[in-house]
Amino acid sequence: AQKITQTQPGMFVQEKEAVTLDCTYDTSDPSYGLFWYKQPSSGEMIFLIYQGSYDQQNATEGRYSLNFQKARKSANLVISASQLGDSAMYFCAMRDPLGYNKLIFGAGTRLAVHP
Amino acid sequence: DVKVTQSSRYLVKRTGEKVFLECVQDMDHENMFWYRQDPGLGLRLIYFSYDVKMKEKGDIPEGYSVSREKKERFSLILESASTNQTSMYLCASSYRTGTKNTGELFFGEGSRLTVL
Repeated sequence: AQKITQTQPGMFVQEKEAVTLDCTYDTSDPSYGLFWYKQPSSGEMIFLIYQGSYDQQNATEGRYSLNFQKARKSANLVISASQLGDSAMYFCAMRDPLGYNKLIFGAGTRLAVHP
Repeated sequence: DVKVTQSSRYLVKRTGEKVFLECVQDMDHENMFWYRQDPGLGLRLIYFSYDVKMKEKGDIPEGYSVSREKKERFSLILESASTNQTSMYLCASSYRTGTKNTGELFFGEGSRLTVL
């Protein structure tokens, strides 16, 4: 069965520093997609970045990059130059290969950015 | 911009009441989803729908039902609310699998339900 594991319940980082949020996944399907979402205290889920299993390069979106290591089944999110507004819950998710764009989510990591 | 709107941000209900959570999307998405979010458990899929009147069980469907009479609207129904259904409920929508997109889900702002 597909599974997403986020082992860091909470992290903190100093403003302007980089931080890595860990995500490992388990699937036997060769075709899959990995997502990161941000959830601020207001509750809405904000899509950050996507990595397809066949993508040759690591995905990047502004200050967000995905450190995709296929052999290790890890898809860590790297946030460069942290800002106070980055304080939020972060969820890693994988698209269910059975279809319909269902996403399987990890438990999440709460990031606190300190001034 | 895609907009997914959930009818209520906060609800307080009593045990045994019937509860309706409504969700509307304005991007003509084929797929719609209801997730439940609990601390330490992440988001778990309750039900999803890939077309009007079509519905499929997710991972935790017990105690819930859904209705999709129109493409833009997906309702979650708690037939007889119980205290263990106190949670945050998130609605999401996406294009059909296979279209030229990543398949990302677009979420509403969530409905926080408390059952007393």
